[in-house]
Amino acid sequence: GAGVSQSPRYKVAKRGQDVALRCDPISGHVSLFWYQQALGQGPEFLTYFQNEAQLDKSGLPSDRFFAERPEGSVSTLKIQRTQQEDSAVYLCASSWRGGGPGQETQYFGPGTRLLVL
Amino acid sequence: KQEVTQIPAALSVPEGENLVLNCSFTDSAIYNLQWFRQDPGKGLTSLLLIQSSQREQTSGRLNASLDKSSGRSTLYIAASQPGDSATYLCAVGGNKLVFGAGTILRVKS
Repeated sequence: GAGVSQSPRYKVAKRGQDVALRCDPISGHVSLFWYQQALGQGPEFLTYFQNEAQLDKSGLPSDRFFAERPEGSVSTLKIQRTQQEDSAVYLCASSWRGGGPGQETQYFGPGTRLLVL
Repeated sequence: KQEVTQIPAALSVPEGENLVLNCSFTDSAIYNLQWFRQDPGKGLTSLLLIQSSQREQTSGRLNASLDKSSGRSTLYIAASQPGDSATYLCAVGGNKLVFGAGTILRVKS
């Protein structure tokens, strides 16, 4: 089937605005991951779901960041009161089994590029 | 805290050259090591995954090695082509997937 898809692909927000980023994982994949990639850097782990359960949110940079996956498939990453330092590419990935974030191959979406002005 | 370093940061080679990309990590307690490719404006594509018990993996013109005790991995690309131009990322899998900053590769035709 299709790969991981993300929407929107690009988002421009004014500082203080709330944004919501969507991820559609590969059908049937148990695990879903969110990463933040700053310009010129590698992705950094934000959070991890196994089905609908959020098992690790230790990478979320502040309480303005919130992620959910209510039915164990589509996930939304929400950023409240956006700041300029939130500007980055947000990548979503999924994997087949319920292994931990570093235990098996992850399949990545194209990312959402967020620019906060 | 796991830290991953990739050298060089950028590399430009003529078509046909064999090349080596380097990755080092500080904590040897890993499940696996993965090499990814990232093209501009796109997500990551997994190239090779080496389990912690393995020493190397091969796929076509790519060969990746892992020396867990010394905290090092290399990605060898044979007979490079312009289509290989991309950013190559190394990531180690422990409790989390930790990435290096990447090596930007340009293969000139």
